[in-house]
Amino acid sequence: QVQLQESGPGLVKPSETLSLTCSVSDYSISGGFYWGWIRQPPGKGLEWIGSFYPGGTTYYNPSLKSRVTISVDTSKNQFSLRLNSVTAADTAVYYCAREPYSSSTNWFDPWGQGTLVTVSS
Amino acid sequence: QSVLTQPPSVSGAPGQRVTISCTGSSSNIGAGFDVHWYQQLPGTAPKLLIYRNSNRPSGVPDRFSGSKSGTSASLAITGLQAEDEADYYCQSYDINLSHSKVFGGGTKLTVL
Repeated sequence: QVQLQESGPGLVKPSETLSLTCSVSDYSISGGFYWGWIRQPPGKGLEWIGSFYPGGTTYYNPSLKSRVTISVDTSKNQFSLRLNSVTAADTAVYYCAREPYSSSTNWFDPWGQGTLVTVSS
Repeated sequence: QSVLTQPPSVSGAPGQRVTISCTGSSSNIGAGFDVHWYQQLPGTAPKLLIYRNSNRPSGVPDRFSGSKSGTSASLAITGLQAEDEADYYCQSYDINLSHSKVFGGGTKLTVL
């Protein structure tokens, strides 16, 4: 059964770059699904960050597009998130997830356990 | 302000039936895009509950059901149990936001 695990620094200084990695086990990233990142500020709701299809297009939330980059390393079966110029508003639990899809929409299943990233000096 | 609107909270007694609404517009649910639902137990990651409007992944009890009509969708939970107390989120797709995936603001279900 596919498992996802986020990793990266738990504390990032304002104006610096947040970098996270999602390690996927028991399933190949190149196996025919989309993959994505979602975040959740403490006590608030979910926000989609971006998604990609290996060898295809990467899509970003328009509100974050100027600061976000998602990349993939198929040799390591991992994908990564970089968010530039962070502020306190970027403090959140960051989740990675696999995205099954239909002709209509994608959905997220399963999710990683999430990792809290705090932006503070 | 979420693109999809959910009630902040709902409650019910054990054994009762509750519904959670997810209201969108002509650029998302009303445009024919599917709606998916997630359950987030306290301190845990969200879990897929319903996909493509009304489909349950294996392992999800049939007490949970989903429906969609027009610009809205609903999640129904029958035979309410204490372990159903959680946050519930709907998710769809919006053509006015550069093909973004969008979530509702979430609904806190309290089992009385």
